[in-house]
Amino acid sequence: SQQGEEDPQALSIQEGENATMNCSYKTSINNLQWYRQNSGRGLVHLILIRSNEREKHSGRLRVTLDTSKKSSSLLITASRAADTASYFCATDTGGGNKLTFGTGTQLKVEL
Amino acid sequence: EAQVTQNPRYLITVTGKKLTVTCSQNMNHEYMSWYRQDPGLGLRQIYYSMNVEVTDKGDVPEGYKVSRKEKRNFPLILESPSPNQTSLYFCASRATGTQPQHFGDGTRLSIL
Repeated sequence: SQQGEEDPQALSIQEGENATMNCSYKTSINNLQWYRQNSGRGLVHLILIRSNEREKHSGRLRVTLDTSKKSSSLLITASRAADTASYFCATDTGGGNKLTFGTGTQLKVEL
Repeated sequence: EAQVTQNPRYLITVTGKKLTVTCSQNMNHEYMSWYRQDPGLGLRQIYYSMNVEVTDKGDVPEGYKVSRKEKRNFPLILESPSPNQTSLYFCASRATGTQPQHFGDGTRLSIL
């Protein structure tokens, strides 16, 4: 079963705008990770936030985590055409054995 | 360069013909996993391994086998492929259980 569910499924914005994607999950986690996938390619790790953290930044990326609501958001500021990709959240529920991915958000950034 | 290498990248084959997808990582990672990606279903874990000779089932292990005889290699074996195994497959590795995963570029399998 899917642990993470992203929302929206698809998002289209203009270059320079901010993009926000949300992820909800069902069970307690050790950490939550965000990945990017360019069309037909492997996933690339973007950022990891631990369960005791509430916010994390990396360049133009900002991730928040609300464990009480079992949700996370990924904000990409000042988006670029090169940010066009699918974005996935993945939850690590502990033990290191399993990372469960959501179904992803397809982001399109138009010039 | 740190990488996870999968081969082949593309394969079209027929039902019942055994095939192996190889995966190799050069980062000395202990953890390795196989995923399949299907439209609308995201990535689903097939099998994972926490170290040499230690493997376990993920969410969708039926029809697949794996082995981990060396730390760097984690092949995925389809003994008798069927059309419902047509998918995009990814191998991934990570150093420890709490580190991010490094993914290969994927293998697109078509089973006719």
